[in-house]
This record gives sequence, structure tokens and C-alpha cells, in this order.
Amino acid sequence: DAGITQSPRYKITETGRQVTLMCHQTWSHSYMFWYRQDLGHGLRLIYYSAAADITDKGEVPDGYVVSRSKTENFPLTLESATRSQTSVYFCASSDGDRAREQYFGPGTRLTVT
Amino acid sequence: AQRVTQPEKLLSVFKGAPVELKCNYSYSGSPELFWYVQYSRQRLQLLLRHISRESIKGFTADLNKGETSFHLKKPFAQEEDSAMYYCASETGGATNKLIFGTGTLLAVQP
Repeated sequence: DAGITQSPRYKITETGRQVTLMCHQTWSHSYMFWYRQDLGHGLRLIYYSAAADITDKGEVPDGYVVSRSKTENFPLTLESATRSQTSVYFCASSDGDRAREQYFGPGTRLTVT
Repeated sequence: AQRVTQPEKLLSVFKGAPVELKCNYSYSGSPELFWYVQYSRQRLQLLLRHISRESIKGFTADLNKGETSFHLKKPFAQEEDSAMYYCASETGGATNKLIFGTGTLLAVQP
């Protein structure tokens, strides 16, 4: 499980600030995903990436930006944080024969004040 | 739009009682389905996937294509089963994306 990590684990920021959440995996998985977890909504996909330099929108991409210059890293940036982006953010990765099985990071709890 | 429905937000049972967590999906055909579990203060982890037809921690899940359901069952609940459970379905194509339900919190009372 230490193969996928997220930082920071907790973050408090103010409305309008830019904040970047980091995700790093050591398995060389080709696919990586960002989700937000909210009560009553479950897990919703923000962005995903099929490989380095290939990213695509998920269900709730507005207000978020991603990049993937290296296979192992998939940072998520909130360009101008809003209170509605207060959430727990999970990064996940998948690859190999069990391609659709996703492995999750520990999560980042973000509070926007 | 494709959906995964978990109708119960909270399921409270007593230790030793049977448990059934409901999941219905809308994907046509034969999707790959999963149950994920999140214990308190831990990351989500895969509990089981239907193609494996395995039992993990006493849990099983049967795919019913006629009812488009993938309910999770355990005959005798334990306190350590208390957690949030998410049902997930593949979205098709080659994207490896999953769509998750809203989750059911299972609380097993002593």
C-alpha cells in the first residue's frame, strides 16, 4: 500500500488561493485517477490519465487542473479554491492484468475557508 | 447516464446478524463489478470483484444480470466489519474508469 502516496494529508487554504495536491505511485501504473469524496455523493471522478501526457476529464472537472509529465506523478491543482471544493481527495492508480482494479492513496483532507 | 445505485446510506445490524448491502447498476451487457471498503481512517481497498467469485472476510457478492444487481452479503456480521462500503462498475471502453455508488455505512452493534 505504500506504493501510492499523497501529500499533504491535510490542508487548510483560503478562498481564491491556488493549491496543489500531490500524488505519487511507485508501481509504474499507466492509469491514474483523482476523485473527491463527499457525503451523499460518494466518490466522483475529477480527472484521469491513461499515461504520461495523456489526461481527460471525469465527472466533475470544473475548477481543477491536472498534469502528468512523469508516469509516477499526477498532481491536482485547484486554480482558485472555493468553499465547495472542501472535500477529501483520493488519488488512485491501476494497470496490468487486473487493469480495472484501482489502488487508492490515503487521501488529502482539504478545507477551504 | 450510467449509474451505480446504493439505496441505503446507513445499515445498522447486530453482531451475528446477516448483512446484505444492496447495489444496482445500469451498465448494459456484462460489466466488471467491484466492492470497495473503507475502514475508519484508512484508504479505500478492494474487497472483492465479481469475476473472481471469491469470498473475502466472509463476504460474497452475486451478480444478477436480470435484476442488474450485485449485492454484498455476509451471513454473520462482526464488529470489525463496520466500515463504508462502495459498489463500483466499469464504464466500458479502454479507459479503466470506474463509476462508484454513493456508499453504504455499515454499523455492526455489539
